Amino acid sequence: IAGITQAPTSQILAAGRRMTLRCTQDMRHNAMYWYRQDLGLGLRLIHYSNTAGTTGKGEVPDGYSVSRANTDDFPLTLASAVPSQTSVYFCASSPLTSGGAYNEQFFGPGTRLTVL
Amino acid sequence: GQNIDQPTEMTATEGAIVQINCTYQTSGFNGLFWYQQHAGEAPTFLSYNVLDGLEEKGRFSSFLSRSKGYSYLLLKELQMKDSASYLCAVIDSNYQLIWGAGTKLIIKP
Repeated sequence: IAGITQAPTSQILAAGRRMTLRCTQDMRHNAMYWYRQDLGLGLRLIHYSNTAGTTGKGEVPDGYSVSRANTDDFPLTLASAVPSQTSVYFCASSPLTSGGAYNEQFFGPGTRLTVL
Repeated sequence: GQNIDQPTEMTATEGAIVQINCTYQTSGFNGLFWYQQHAGEAPTFLSYNVLDGLEEKGRFSSFLSRSKGYSYLLLKELQMKDSASYLCAVIDSNYQLIWGAGTKLIIKP
């Protein structure tokens, strides 16, 4: 693995189903993030984690949950998917949570999710 | 509230120069990033500014004026591969990245 990987690449899901999007990084970054990107709205932060064992809510957390059991993995779970969660989901990581350029975020390739 | 404004779309000609503006109103300021995002791909880092002035990196330059809450990305000698969206993001007082909606740049031959 080099950088950040996400799985699956794309998924079509029936409404009401549970779904976990996976994210793994091998850069030993402290901070990790989940965004959704919708046309015309830019990147919106769903949840974040500043370090293993801690998580926080972003701008649009409702309907999503995360966990950070270790440094490398940061899965995002949709407990009961709804059509408004159709979006492209990006996972990102950064070395530190403060300190200028160390806030640079590195992005995974994204997961395209369609909820019908 | 926190707000970052960028033009939605811009068109330029191959070989020309284009300037993409970004204005921001955020709770605190700890730096500003520009990212490039090609269609269907992830954003990738272009530049970082924390002090006023111009940062040059090859064909791309980024300018910051903290007193005006303003930045621009300057792209010179445009190439077709520069067709992409350009995202402005500001680090606020809580060290969170606040993202603009992005500017879609269309390059014409």
